[in-house]
Amino acid sequence: AQSVTQLGSHVSVSEGALVLLRCNYSSSVPPYLFWYVQYPNQGLQLLLKYTSAATLVKGINGFEAEFKKSETSFHLTKPSAHMSDAAEYFCAVTSGGGADGLTFGKGTHLIIQP
Amino acid sequence: DTAVSQTPKYLVTQMGNDKSIKCEQNLGHDTMYWYKQDSKKFLKIMFSYNNKELIINETVPNRFSPKSPDKAHLNLHINSLELGDSAVYFCASSQQGSDEQFFGPGTRLTVL
Repeated sequence: AQSVTQLGSHVSVSEGALVLLRCNYSSSVPPYLFWYVQYPNQGLQLLLKYTSAATLVKGINGFEAEFKKSETSFHLTKPSAHMSDAAEYFCAVTSGGGADGLTFGKGTHLIIQP
Repeated sequence: DTAVSQTPKYLVTQMGNDKSIKCEQNLGHDTMYWYKQDSKKFLKIMFSYNNKELIINETVPNRFSPKSPDKAHLNLHINSLELGDSAVYFCASSQQGSDEQFFGPGTRLTVL
């Protein structure tokens, strides 16, 4: 069984400040990890993914995440927040075997203060 | 060109009715999925399907059934709709189970 925990249902940062969204996972097999972003009334867009290659993964819009097996974490960061980053962010995990789908965390709503 | 499309975008219906949501992907992917997003924005897998197997989340009521006429389509049929079925339903597809999934725009279902 797999699970994802996202700490903080809401995170508020000032424009230009560091963004840090936390994700911890539980998986009995080597995981494949993803971060998705959802803007209001839209579908999900992939930000980045970890699939057992480099542990530091760079994604779109200046986001990156680091896979830390010892901490079972995959936190999402961005050095400087922009107003357009305000959205809902989801961390997800899959085992990669067959078609078992993604297990999502409960999401973190990112608020950008001007 | 839309990669994963869903119709309709909005669906309002009465309790007890039967409805369908259609999903099409033009990415040539082997696997398609249906997810439910509740009012608290929690996303949960309902079904995943490729040409070999259908995997059903055991918590999904049997009133929900996926139908795949071909590799590019996975439609969702819902019988005897209940108030608790109100949610946003997302279709997605991927080339393999471990690959990124491409999501459709969602269908907001409201059961009155």
